Amino acid sequence: RKEVEQDPGPFNVPEGATVAFNCTYSNSASQSFFWYRQDCRKEPKLLMSVYSSGNEDGRFTAQLNRASQYISLLIRDSKLSDSATYLCVVNGANAGKSTFGDGTTLTVKP
Amino acid sequence: DTGVSQDPRHKITKRGQNVTFRCDPISEHNRLYWYRQTLGQGPEFLTYFQNEAQLEKSRLLSDRFSAERPKGSFSTLEIQRTEQGDSAMYLCASSFTGANVLTFGAGSRLTVL
Repeated sequence: RKEVEQDPGPFNVPEGATVAFNCTYSNSASQSFFWYRQDCRKEPKLLMSVYSSGNEDGRFTAQLNRASQYISLLIRDSKLSDSATYLCVVNGANAGKSTFGDGTTLTVKP
Repeated sequence: DTGVSQDPRHKITKRGQNVTFRCDPISEHNRLYWYRQTLGQGPEFLTYFQNEAQLEKSRLLSDRFSAERPKGSFSTLEIQRTEQGDSAMYLCASSFTGANVLTFGAGSRLTVL
């Protein structure tokens, strides 16, 4: 079983739709959590950190459920420019290594 | 500072040859990471440094792979006796200690024929 698991998708949604991605992690000692975005043939870039209380950044909302070891990302009012692969990232207790999921691919269509 | 730089961006080599990649991190960052990514997969951790000390190395990394960061600034990743399975994008990232937020370079794409 992988340490970080994501539904690979692809998710194909129309502009304006709301879409949610899920991620589960296996190490209960994990300390910090993130979502990264990766465009085709580009490097990953930080989208947002995920806090225990949940956090929002514009159209993006991230949630963490430590009891279920589950992270989510909600995108509201999808834009064409949101088309990308979204990577779930988990850091262990020593905060050294970041473990990436395999990503969920989103395509937003006109 | 223009971010994390990697060189070369593309490398094509024949099986059995050695290759070396270089990474120049953001100058203020004391942590440097190497990841490998293949199509359809997320970045796979290889190793990381804090200053010049190599603190962790993936158990998946064979003895053909070695990384150095001799002065705590730039780093090199060498692959000896390359195999076709080594074909991938090699990503370097850097961060502040404890920040856990990684800034990636554009990567070095390796093709082994």
